[in-house]
Amino acid sequence: GEDVEQSLFLSVREGDSSVINCTYTDSSSTYLYWYKQEPGAGLQLLTYIFSNMDMKQDQRLTVLLNKKDKHLSLRIADTQTGDSAIYFCAERTGGKLIFGQGTELSVKP
Amino acid sequence: DAGITQSPRHKVTETGTPVTLRCHQTENHRYMYWYRQDPGHGLRLIHYSYGVKDTDKGEVSDGYSVSRSKTEDFLLTLESATSSQTSVYFCAISGDRMYGYTFGSGTRLTVV
Repeated sequence: GEDVEQSLFLSVREGDSSVINCTYTDSSSTYLYWYKQEPGAGLQLLTYIFSNMDMKQDQRLTVLLNKKDKHLSLRIADTQTGDSAIYFCAERTGGKLIFGQGTELSVKP
Repeated sequence: DAGITQSPRHKVTETGTPVTLRCHQTENHRYMYWYRQDPGHGLRLIHYSYGVKDTDKGEVSDGYSVSRSKTEDFLLTLESATSSQTSVYFCAISGDRMYGYTFGSGTRLTVV
């Protein structure tokens, strides 16, 4: 069935790059997304990538998609303390979004 | 997000009582969704709607029902609340499938 997997925690130093990884199972997914959730808030769409793309860059964010391995990653350059949050990847399948468990990013000064 | 509001923001209720959560949107979006968020599980889809009076079940629909009598409102009802339904509930809307969803701020429900 549909499943999206992420590691639960990542800790980095301020100024370093962060890489959050995700694997998914539905090879027919058309769009894949990254969302950010700050404490006590809802989810905010960060970026998305269409399944026929390998890479998408948006300011400090770079999304890489390896369709063969069903692997998606989000790289945040020059990570700041304000980037501390939970990051969710999601795949669109059957008209619905299926979310991973979320990766909690902790940025230490 | 100003285009989607959830009410109430917090609720404590007793086991066995019915509870209704409301999601209201001002974007005139066709699709609306209810998710629950629990530690270690991410977000799991409860029910969704693809139009007025058109709804369908998600992966964790047992014990929940929904109604959508107007485009702007999507109600989630816990028919007889149980402690396992203690969670944070998020509503989401989508008008264009390419751009993902817009989420509300969530309702924290505690069943005691």
